[in-house]
Amino acid sequence: EPEVTQTPSHQVTQMGQEVILRCVPISNHLYFYWYRQILGQKVEFLVSFYNNEISEKSEIFDDQFSVERPDGSNFTLKIRSTKLEDSAMYFCASSPTSYNEQFFGPGTRLTVL
Amino acid sequence: GQNIDQPTEMTATEGAIVQINCTYQTSGFNGLFWYQQHAGEAPTFLSYNVLDGLEEKGRFSSFLSRSKGYSYLLLKELQMKDSASYLCAVRDEGQAGTALIFGKGTTLSVSS
Repeated sequence: EPEVTQTPSHQVTQMGQEVILRCVPISNHLYFYWYRQILGQKVEFLVSFYNNEISEKSEIFDDQFSVERPDGSNFTLKIRSTKLEDSAMYFCASSPTSYNEQFFGPGTRLTVL
Repeated sequence: GQNIDQPTEMTATEGAIVQINCTYQTSGFNGLFWYQQHAGEAPTFLSYNVLDGLEEKGRFSSFLSRSKGYSYLLLKELQMKDSASYLCAVRDEGQAGTALIFGKGTTLSVSS
């Protein structure tokens, strides 16, 4: 069964550094998402992406964040100048249409020291 | 504003039936989803309601009342492996209508 994959599974970085989290959505899906979950808290929407552009973003998704689909398979989240409070599990998700359920990847645990 | 409420914790025994409630007040509504999340893992899709009524899917059923802003997830014939967090999520009716707004989740513990 096709699934969303994410790399790396764990990322440790120093405050102020840039990180890139990578995702490979399910191949025939058209909508891509990033969510985050701070330890012990709820899953929070960051951004959705369709047709090579951002379709929605939350207040969390400020200028330090960016997303890109550099080729036909990868979908990346870049965090510039990481802060301690960016430490969280970051989930990528995809869906075939805007109305279907979203399929989540296994997540990247980001730790900012 | 956006507000989704669920009980924080519930306990039940193997073989029993449990109902997890969810109430929501959101600026828009374009469907309600239930996800299961085991500790340290990704959310996995369980069910989806966009119209009022009951959707049944094996041991899991989900109900929606849009006028009351209310949903529940019913789990039957509980098994130990059902111990997990259950997340209620509303799809917002934003510009593209794709964002899922999650509740804090209900941690279900199933004992033998």
